[in-house]
Amino acid sequence: EVQLVQSGAEVKKPGESLRISCKGSGYIFTNSWISWVRQVPGKGLEWMGRIDPSDSYTKYSSSFEGHVTISVDQARTTAYLQWSSLRASDSAIYYCARQQGSSFYFGSWGQGTPVSVSS
Amino acid sequence: QSVLTQPPSVSGAPGQRVTISCTGNSSNVGTHHEVHWYQQIPGTAPKLLIYNNIYRPSGIPDRFSASKSGTSSSLAISGLRPEDEGDYFCQSCDSRMTHWVFGGGTKLTV
Repeated sequence: EVQLVQSGAEVKKPGESLRISCKGSGYIFTNSWISWVRQVPGKGLEWMGRIDPSDSYTKYSSSFEGHVTISVDQARTTAYLQWSSLRASDSAIYYCARQQGSSFYFGSWGQGTPVSVSS
Repeated sequence: QSVLTQPPSVSGAPGQRVTISCTGNSSNVGTHHEVHWYQQIPGTAPKLLIYNNIYRPSGIPDRFSASKSGTSSSLAISGLRPEDEGDYFCQSCDSRMTHWVFGGGTKLTV
């Protein structure tokens, strides 16, 4: 069974750094891209960026490029999303998703990691 | 403002049929790129409902169906059940398949 298990909820202050994780299992980790998707509570889904775990090639949405970094650890079959300096507007739920097929739809999702940034 | 346009809400009585539209443009939905649909029950992660315009993943009942024509897609849910309540999102990609875009979501009330 394919599973994406994300790290737990985080409470941070503006300016702090943060890294959240997404561990994949039940499939060959390097065979599928992983994307990160943001959801502000009560709002829609925003694609942030994706990584190819086989070579760590990344692609970011222009809305997030330069503010977040996506990386992977193949040995741990884990993808990461990190910020060097959080803002209050980063408060949201973050989902990782495994992309599948020739059209790269989001076939499996993590359970979500809530991030709260407040002074 | 989302790249793909969906109605904010739809509603229907148990047993009825509803449809949810998703409209893009020539740089995403219209350029031969597939549309996918996701269901998000309150408090849970999104779940793939329809992929490549019309296909249901294993375990998704045939009450859910979708179609695509031109720059639009439509999700239909027949035999509405209370457990269908939630948000429904469409998704596609840009013309170079390098960026992925979502609709704003439609809240279904049963």
